[in-house]
Amino acid sequence: DTGVSQDPRHKITKRGQNVTFRCDPISEHNRLYWYRQTLGQGPEFLTYFQNEAQLEKSRLLSDRFSAERPKGSFSTLEIQRTEQGDSAMYLCASSFTVGQGRGAIYEQYFGPGTRLTVT
Amino acid sequence: GQQLNQSPQSMFIQEGEDVSMNCTSSSIFNTWLWYKQDPGEGPVLLIALYKAGELTSNGRLTAQFGITRKDSFLNISASIPSDVGIYFCAGSYAGGTSYGKLTFGQGTILTVHP
Repeated sequence: DTGVSQDPRHKITKRGQNVTFRCDPISEHNRLYWYRQTLGQGPEFLTYFQNEAQLEKSRLLSDRFSAERPKGSFSTLEIQRTEQGDSAMYLCASSFTVGQGRGAIYEQYFGPGTRLTVT
Repeated sequence: GQQLNQSPQSMFIQEGEDVSMNCTSSSIFNTWLWYKQDPGEGPVLLIALYKAGELTSNGRLTAQFGITRKDSFLNISASIPSDVGIYFCAGSYAGGTSYGKLTFGQGTILTVHP
């Protein structure tokens, strides 16, 4: 069992640059989530995919952020024109979920995260 | 963004002591999850709860889904040094247009003195 992997683990970039992060979910999982975590806080939801379809986006996800999950496998999160306020840990999680509503399973397994520092 | 109210914010205990922490929400959830996070790492799932009133154990950890569906509790018995870390509660409401996104508490920082 290889778990959720994320790459890179750390990224330092200058303000205004673009960055892209990758997430590889657990292979049989159909749902993939992105969260952002700042120091001293719990993770906050950014966006969610079921297979290749992006079904929900948080208002935290400004126009500078875009996420994709081509072919329903790995996912990428891109931040354009980075700002110092984008500095955070970006976490990816995956789950195998059947249906929705009560009775569906929502156990999400997280990757190690990508720590972004914008200077 | 919305977060759950988790308490206490931090705990300093002696090895061997029991620990209790809780999480409350103004909204109902139909799934409660508890995670542990070490510095620089992602959260690790400890326990998942799916039914109001449910009590579930995982080794020395026991968690309960409150009957009002607005709270949850985590207990750790006979703490050991490796229990050190940040514990997060997370709630999920599935229904309508919601697809199981998690809402997290602010975390409880646990320090265990040998």
